[in-house]
This record gives sequence, C-alpha cells and structure tokens, in this order.
Amino acid sequence: ETGVTQSPTHLIKTRGQQVTLRCSSQSGHNTVSWYQQALGQGPQFIFQYYREEENGRGNFPPRFSGLQFPNYSSELNVNALELDDSALYLCASSLSGGEGGELFFGEGSRLTVL
Amino acid sequence: DQQVKQNSPSLSVQEGRISILNCDYTNSMFDYFLWYKKYPAEGPTFLISISSIKDKNEDGRFTVFLNKSAKHLSLHIVPSQPGDSAVYFCAASATGNQFYFGTGTSLTVIP
Repeated sequence: ETGVTQSPTHLIKTRGQQVTLRCSSQSGHNTVSWYQQALGQGPQFIFQYYREEENGRGNFPPRFSGLQFPNYSSELNVNALELDDSALYLCASSLSGGEGGELFFGEGSRLTVL
Repeated sequence: DQQVKQNSPSLSVQEGRISILNCDYTNSMFDYFLWYKKYPAEGPTFLISISSIKDKNEDGRFTVFLNKSAKHLSLHIVPSQPGDSAVYFCAASATGNQFYFGTGTSLTVIP
C-alpha cells in the first residue's frame, strides 16, 4: 500500500511569487485535504477535494487554490506569496469525502518565503 | 479563535508510567475526534479516533476518553515507552471534512 507522498519537500520563494505543491494520495483514497502548519501551531484546514470538486474550505484567501485529478492526486497553488505563507504544508488523504474518516498525512512541503 | 485547545505545551513521564494528554474544545457541534503523533521532519501519524456516540475507545496501549458535557477529551498511554516521545495533536470535526487541530503537547518519556 502506497502512502501519501508530497513534493517538493523544501522550497524557498520570494514575496510575490507563485508556488505549486503536489500530493499523491494513499492508494484507494478518493479525498485529499490540505493543511497549513505554522511554527508552533497545529495544522489549519485550507480546503478539501472530493471527486475533483472542492468540498469545504477554511479561512484562507482566494489566492490559495487547488485541484484534484482523476487519479485523486492533488495540487495546492498559492499566488502572490506573502512572508506569512512560510509554513509546513500538509496533504492528507482519506476515504470519507466528509464522512468523518481518519486523515492520513504526508511528510509535508516546507515553504519559506523571503 | 482557537476551537481546540491543548493547554499543556509539554509533558515528561517516566518510562512504564501512564501519560495523560488533555484536549478541550469549545464547539458543541464537534462529533468526531482524532489523535495524532508527530515526530520532527515527519507528517502526523494517526493514532486513535472517537465519535461522540462513545465515551471511550481503546487500541492497545492507547485509550481515548471523551467527556461531552465538559467538552474534554484525553489520551492515555499505558505503559509509556521512550519511542512515544513526540508531539501529540488532538483534532475535532463537526462536518467530517474540516478538522480543527490543537497546538500540540510535546511528550518526553524518560528511560
């Protein structure tokens, strides 16, 4: 069984740039959620994708956008990067599509914005 | 506003003893709760869950207790082992798709 994989693991961008983070869900999982974890904080929900549609969104501005592909992999795009976007971005897959299933996380992509 | 709180940033426990990690929440609509363990440079690893129809769930050395009236849950680890040293997060959900996480408790198990 293949777990959740994320790429890249680390990246550095400058303010105003755009970034794309990628996630492959665990085998058999049809739902992907993205979380942002700032230093010393718990993960914060960005949004969830289920069957290629956004299925819930947290308190993040529209410059955070996403996609889910037919193979259930996903991308997180952030435009017009700000210094406060520096964080660990976690992707989690699940079976539930919003029915309370456990989340299985990847190792994260650490973004530094200078 | 933090809807899930872990008020103890850190906890130290002797090997073989019980570790008790606490979590409080404010939203009475939360009906599903998860505990995660996180090692440095790794993603969170799922430990155990509980739904609001139960007040206890056990899995090996890990037991989660839910007190709905107090809006409080706790994770008990018995016996504690040095490999349990990690940051533990609790998470809660009302809708099943958005989970709210606490800020974590760093557990150190002393050999």
